[in-house]
Amino acid sequence: QKEVEQNSGPLSVPEGAIASLNCTYSDRGSQSFFWYRQYSGKSPELIMSIYSNGDKEDGRFTAQLNKASQYVSLLIRDSQPSDSATYLCAVIYNFNKFYFGSGTKLNVKP
Amino acid sequence: GAGVSQSPSNKVTEKGKDVELRCDPISGHTALYWYRQSLGQGLEFLIYFQGNSAPDKSGLPSDRFSAERTGGSVSTLTIQRTQQEDSAVYLCASSSLAGTGLEAFFGQGTRLTVV
Repeated sequence: QKEVEQNSGPLSVPEGAIASLNCTYSDRGSQSFFWYRQYSGKSPELIMSIYSNGDKEDGRFTAQLNKASQYVSLLIRDSQPSDSATYLCAVIYNFNKFYFGSGTKLNVKP
Repeated sequence: GAGVSQSPSNKVTEKGKDVELRCDPISGHTALYWYRQSLGQGLEFLIYFQGNSAPDKSGLPSDRFSAERTGGSVSTLTIQRTQQEDSAVYLCASSSLAGTGLEAFFGQGTRLTVV
C-alpha cells in the first residue's frame, strides 16, 4: 500500500513568518513529488514539482526532497494571509497514478 | 484546450436517478484521473486512465460507478441509482506523464448534490 502522510493541522503562523509543511511517503520507488494548494471551495492548483534530492526554489516557495528519509517539505517565506489554504502533497510511483496526502491546513494570521 | 474542463459545474439530482459527469482534459494529455472530495475531506481516488484503458479502477466505490474514455480524450463518469452519500465534488485531472510534463492539472470540479 502506497501512502502519503501529512499532518492535518491547522498550522497557524503570523504574517511574514516562514511556514513549514511536511510530508512523508511510504514507497521508496516514488519518483516525482508535487505540492498543490487548495483554497476552500476550489480545486487544487499546482505550486511546485521536485524530482531530485535537494532544494528547489520558486519565488517565496522552496520544496525540499530527501529520498533517503522519504520526506518532502514545502517552505513558504514571508507568509501572507492569501497563503491560507490547504496544501496537498502528491507522489507519483512508476510514472503512474498520483497518490495524494490528506492535506495540511495553513492559517496565516495578519 | 487551455485547461481541464468539467461539466456540469453543479448538478442536483434526485435519489435513484443516474448522472453523467464529463471531463475534457488538456489537449495531448494521455493520463486522466477522477477523484472525489467530500466536504472538508481529502481527495479520494476513483479511477485512472492511460489513453482509453483504465489500468486502475480500484477506487470506484461500488458497481454503481463506471467510467469510460474515448479517443484518448473526453471521459465520462457515470453514477447509477444515485444515493445521498454520493454527494461530493468530483474532480478530474490530466497529465502528459511524459518527459518533464509529469504534473497533473485539475478541472474546476462538478459539485453533485443528491436530494
